[in-house]
Order: sequence, then C-alpha cells, then structure tokens
Amino acid sequence: EAQVTQNPRYLITVTGKKLTVTCSQNMNHEYMSWYRQDPGLGLRQIYYSMNVEVTDKGDVPEGYKVSRKEKRNFPLILESPSPNQTSLYFCASSYIGGRVITDTQYFGPGTRLTVL
Amino acid sequence: AQSVTQLGSHVSVSEGALVLLRCNYSSSVPPYLFWYVQYPNQGLQLLLKYTTGATLVKGINGFEAEFKKSETSFHLTKPSAHMSDAAEYFCAVSDRGTGNQFYFGTGTSLTVIP
Repeated sequence: EAQVTQNPRYLITVTGKKLTVTCSQNMNHEYMSWYRQDPGLGLRQIYYSMNVEVTDKGDVPEGYKVSRKEKRNFPLILESPSPNQTSLYFCASSYIGGRVITDTQYFGPGTRLTVL
Repeated sequence: AQSVTQLGSHVSVSEGALVLLRCNYSSSVPPYLFWYVQYPNQGLQLLLKYTTGATLVKGINGFEAEFKKSETSFHLTKPSAHMSDAAEYFCAVSDRGTGNQFYFGTGTSLTVIP
C-alpha cells in the first residue's frame, strides 16, 4: 500500500529538549515536504526536498532542520523546541514531473507536538 | 511570495444544496492550483487540480472547480451536498515557474445539515 508514515503520532516534550519526527514514504517519490498546521493559519510549508541531499526553505523554516540522506526518509529536527512550535505537523511526498510538482502530494497522518 | 485567500472559514449547507467554497490567489502569473480535503484526524488528500488546459476541472466525489484568470479565482463547487462532504477544505497554489514551494489557504470548514 502506497503511504507516508510519520512517527511519533503524538509527542509532548519540554522546551529545549531536542527531538526528531521521522517521515518515510514507499512510493519512490523525489519530492518530500514538511508542513505545520495551526488553527486559523492553514498549512504552512517548513522545508521541502527535491531529491537526496537537496533541501530548501519553505515559508516558516526558523527553528527547524531537515536532512535527506535517503530518498524514502525526510526527518524533521527541532534542535531546541519552544512553545510556539506546538502544532500539528504533516509530511508529504510527490512525484516530480519534469522540473515542477504538478502531481498530488500524498500526506502522512500527522504528528501532534506539544512543547511545554 | 504567493498568498491564497479562502473567504469564509466556516460554511454550512443543507444536505442536497449547492456547495460553493471560494479561493482567490494573488499572483499576476496564474499558478498551479489545487484543492485538498481533510477529514477529521486525517491527513490531506487531493480533490482536484488545475495545471493547464480546460479551465473547468472535475475531481473526486463530484467536486469541480473553475479557473478564472480575470478574477484570479479557483472556486470549488458541488451541485448537491452529502453528509460525507463535511470536512476541512484547503486551496493551495504553487508558482508556475518553479512549482516547488506550496502556499495553502487558511481552510474552510464545511458543515452539512441534514
């Protein structure tokens, strides 16, 4: 079954304690992306990756890091989480047709993060 | 940067009535346009998209949307609402030149009244 998986699904942590949210896809997609969803703000893109070792900032990259060492995995790293990073996080992946993304993005189930 | 406006954060319709969810984008060059739906406690899934060609596009579950360049709009419609349509709907765009960065609207929560 084609899917994007995220772990953990729920996480409560404290300010400053480094954490990693993993994302994996089994569709051999080149494109992967992280979003955060906040009430009244919709989804905002944090980082995206066009392929292995290629990452770019989205709209709200501050306080986050990513890496793309393998095609299937795209972990999101919060080196020093703060309460304003409390949010619902989604990973997504997509096939790249040519140079741009015109195909659907497949979304993971989400990770609800609370930073105390 | 692009901006996407979804008018109406909450829309209620009666079962069987027309559904109209509005989306406007800001760029002078028409972007790629997408509508996604999010059911409770789930990720998003694509309803439909416009990249090129016919400006009226049909999607899953009876939804369709029309790209109107003169109005910079991509409104989502469905002739007859069903209870199962209750969900959050997001309009999204990406720049036609690069198409790699995505901008989502703030979402519209659709309630269907029996």
